[in-house]
Amino acid sequence: SQQGEEDPQALSIQEGENATMNCSYKTSINNLQWYRQNSGRGLVHLILIRSNEREKHSGRLRVTLDTSKKSSSLLITASRAADTASYFCAGRAGNNRKLIWGLGTSLAVNP
Amino acid sequence: GAGVSQSPSNKVTEKGKDVELRCDPISGHTALYWYRQRLGQGLEFLIYFQGNSAPDKSGLPSDRFSAERTGESVSTLTIQRTQQEDSAVYLCASSSTGGDSPLHFGNGTRLTVT
Repeated sequence: SQQGEEDPQALSIQEGENATMNCSYKTSINNLQWYRQNSGRGLVHLILIRSNEREKHSGRLRVTLDTSKKSSSLLITASRAADTASYFCAGRAGNNRKLIWGLGTSLAVNP
Repeated sequence: GAGVSQSPSNKVTEKGKDVELRCDPISGHTALYWYRQRLGQGLEFLIYFQGNSAPDKSGLPSDRFSAERTGESVSTLTIQRTQQEDSAVYLCASSSTGGDSPLHFGNGTRLTVT
């Protein structure tokens, strides 16, 4: 089945640093979403970027989308220990109703 | 309700037994998804319900897996004759209209088959 690919798979940084996670697809994706998952919990929606947008901001989050490269990035600025979680991208291919999920990036922010 | 509720939160069962997992979506949400997540892995799509349309069952891994949803309310995922490889967290999510509306997830049911 199709899957998005995220890199890095794991990222460890110090509090205050910026964290960048990337997501790439083999097929064209309509509108891309990012989710966060704390350990032992469900996923929480962070942000959606539409196919006609190149960049979007929400608080300390900055998301970019490059449809020509079929890739997206999530930047968390001034990271905090509470940002420690796994981050997943998800997008829809064509008219398919199902979301295609990336494998996730595990982020550890050390105090 | 305040969010998506799943029960039980944990289930330990013996190989060969049947289990039933329950999901209460957010009231008014027409779309409901079931996913499986193995330890440290991403989400594996199982089944998708959208309103009164026929469900998309393309992700169900075998005929031991089935799911039902009554209208736009509660859904149950049933696994018959459980196997050890069924051990995983089963996540349910709902969204207001499907499409690109955000998914709201429950905290999952952690299933352990011994």
